[in-house]
Amino acid sequence: DQQVKQNSPSLSVQEGRISILNCDYTNSMFDYFLWYKKYPAEGPTFLISISSIKDKNEDGRFTVFLNKSAKHLSLHIVPSQPGDSAVYFCAASAYMDSNYQLIWGAGTKLIIKP
Amino acid sequence: DAMVIQNPRYQVTQFGKPVTLSCSQTLNHNVMYWYQQKSSQAPKLLFHYYDKDFNNEADTPDNFQSRRPNTSFCFLDIRSPGLGDAAMYLCATSRDGGGNTEAFFGQGTRLTVV
Repeated sequence: DQQVKQNSPSLSVQEGRISILNCDYTNSMFDYFLWYKKYPAEGPTFLISISSIKDKNEDGRFTVFLNKSAKHLSLHIVPSQPGDSAVYFCAASAYMDSNYQLIWGAGTKLIIKP
Repeated sequence: DAMVIQNPRYQVTQFGKPVTLSCSQTLNHNVMYWYQQKSSQAPKLLFHYYDKDFNNEADTPDNFQSRRPNTSFCFLDIRSPGLGDAAMYLCATSRDGGGNTEAFFGQGTRLTVV
């Protein structure tokens, strides 16, 4: 039962264009959503997050949009740069069983073409 | 100035032979996590410590144990590794385990079972 789904295993985008990474979730109890970026042979690093009470959060080239009614969020990278090539994980957080639970998607591999 | 350090980076163990993976942190964070990640899958939380309080995920096999002797160190013990336990093991820390708290990851230990 995947509560957080990233349906695109990979995405290829031309340098300078917009990259849009999508994430869907099923549990309406999630109250925070986080994006992590992972380079090969490294651990994931935090990128950006959004609270469920907001619909947009922006940090430089990175913007996350949340559509609660559709249980969908997306990460926009504008403009895409070669260094953005990595695996991007969507994760969702909810307070359950006396702890915050962080549920991860399987990741989308983003390839930026020069 | 790595903040979460995992040793070793690569570990080969024999089927059924106990193995220990280690993690240390310089962040003085309260929470330490162990994740298992198999290829192209979401990271799966095995357990976490909030300070000295151990929290085991319901579906973590008994074969997996953990120790946290002090704030800085956390160990993952696999008592009898099977072929299915071959994976990347990620250690992470966070300040307080809250829903929006950033987690800091180590580089991971790639475990091979032969």
